[in-house]
Amino acid sequence: NAGVTQTPKFQVLKTGQSMTLQCAQDMNHEYMSWYRQDPGMGLRLIHYSVGAGITDQGEVPNGYNVSRSTTEDFPLRLLSAAPSQTSVYFCASSLGDRVELFFGEGSRLTVL
Amino acid sequence: AQSVTQLDSQVPVFEEAPVELRCNYSSSVSVYLFWYVQYPNQGLQLLLKYLSGSTLVKGINGFEAEFNKSQTSFHLRKPSVHISDTAEYFCAVSPGFQKLVFGTGTRLLVSP
Repeated sequence: NAGVTQTPKFQVLKTGQSMTLQCAQDMNHEYMSWYRQDPGMGLRLIHYSVGAGITDQGEVPNGYNVSRSTTEDFPLRLLSAAPSQTSVYFCASSLGDRVELFFGEGSRLTVL
Repeated sequence: AQSVTQLDSQVPVFEEAPVELRCNYSSSVSVYLFWYVQYPNQGLQLLLKYLSGSTLVKGINGFEAEFNKSQTSFHLRKPSVHISDTAEYFCAVSPGFQKLVFGTGTRLLVSP
């Protein structure tokens, strides 16, 4: 019963490097989203998707790209990492609008 | 734009005492309200949600919340807390379309 799986759990990058955070869900959910969690700021929406081939920006999209080629996968790409992107990233999915979000366990990213 | 205010960043309480975690929201449209809990080094999981109907909502682990439209509040309560309730609690509001807006979180610290 995997639910939402995020990899890697921990990552250290140097400024300017690129990387992809992977997110996969096995619940056949149409909705998927990425949040970042920073101390004292709660969770902020980066990007979201309402189905394969459809993505949209959230509150803090700058510096991040996403794509949704399949229902199961929703990777988050950092093209040129910056120290301001040091954070804990959470992927979430949902069966539909206004229903429960299921979260992954998070990916802790440090950019030096 | 919707926003959520959790005034208390930390709430210390003794085991078996009652607790209330406060949440106020601002929105010009009908909203849907949620409380999530995050245990250390884990993702978030849903405690309870208000979509419509009865203003008193019961959730998991003995928690409940009351939706008060006139005061734009959605406070979380538990009559008797356990050590295992130590966690961070997030209030969130959604106008729909998966754009959940989270508060900054309240850390509940339960001591013996």
